[in-house]
Amino acid sequence: SQQGEEDPQALSIQEGENATMNCSYKTSINNLQWYRQNSGRGLVHLILIRSNEREKHSGRLRVTLDTSKKSSSLLITASRAADTASYFCASGYSSASKIIFGSGTRLSIRP
Amino acid sequence: SAVISQKPSRDICQRGTSLTIQCQVDSQVTMMFWYRQQPGQSLTLIATANQGSEATYESGFVIDKFPISRPNLTFSTLTVSNMSPEDSSIYLCSVLAGGLGGELFFGEGSRLTVL
Repeated sequence: SQQGEEDPQALSIQEGENATMNCSYKTSINNLQWYRQNSGRGLVHLILIRSNEREKHSGRLRVTLDTSKKSSSLLITASRAADTASYFCASGYSSASKIIFGSGTRLSIRP
Repeated sequence: SAVISQKPSRDICQRGTSLTIQCQVDSQVTMMFWYRQQPGQSLTLIATANQGSEATYESGFVIDKFPISRPNLTFSTLTVSNMSPEDSSIYLCSVLAGGLGGELFFGEGSRLTVL
């Protein structure tokens, strides 16, 4: 399969809780990006982490990258109803000059 | 950043016909990609559109089915040929700003429904 793995496939949490989703990729990357997609809408870029970075923050978002395990995680703190969406990681493969998306996590925030 | 215009935004097509999707970028970009997103799924890379040369296709996608043109650094087309209902999908043009280490920008997508 072309796509990287993401888990969980679906996540339902209470508003105010933290949400964590994980992404794994296959070979060496230049960077890894996370995107959000609301139902029926376009992709919104959230954050980019470079291969020489281990952690990055943006507002309520925290992204980590572990190149030894070929994995990344996205943490959303203090979740809100508006965070309900699908989240995708996208790996930038240096050897092949292309970006491959993960399978995605569907996040639902319960009020 | 890059602003990408795609058209058509949506279309309903008959089985066996072909449709060409256009992608216009507001600046010159080296790396341009075409993705497909089937209902409820993630994005799958169809091909990298190379300026002045043949596109580089991913496994499972062939030039006869998805011919791509890239006449310059701001424009590309993707044709979906001999369409079947399985081709019903959103097709997305995207560009990398700042090379492979940069952010991927997307057009609004072209939603095709094949009857």
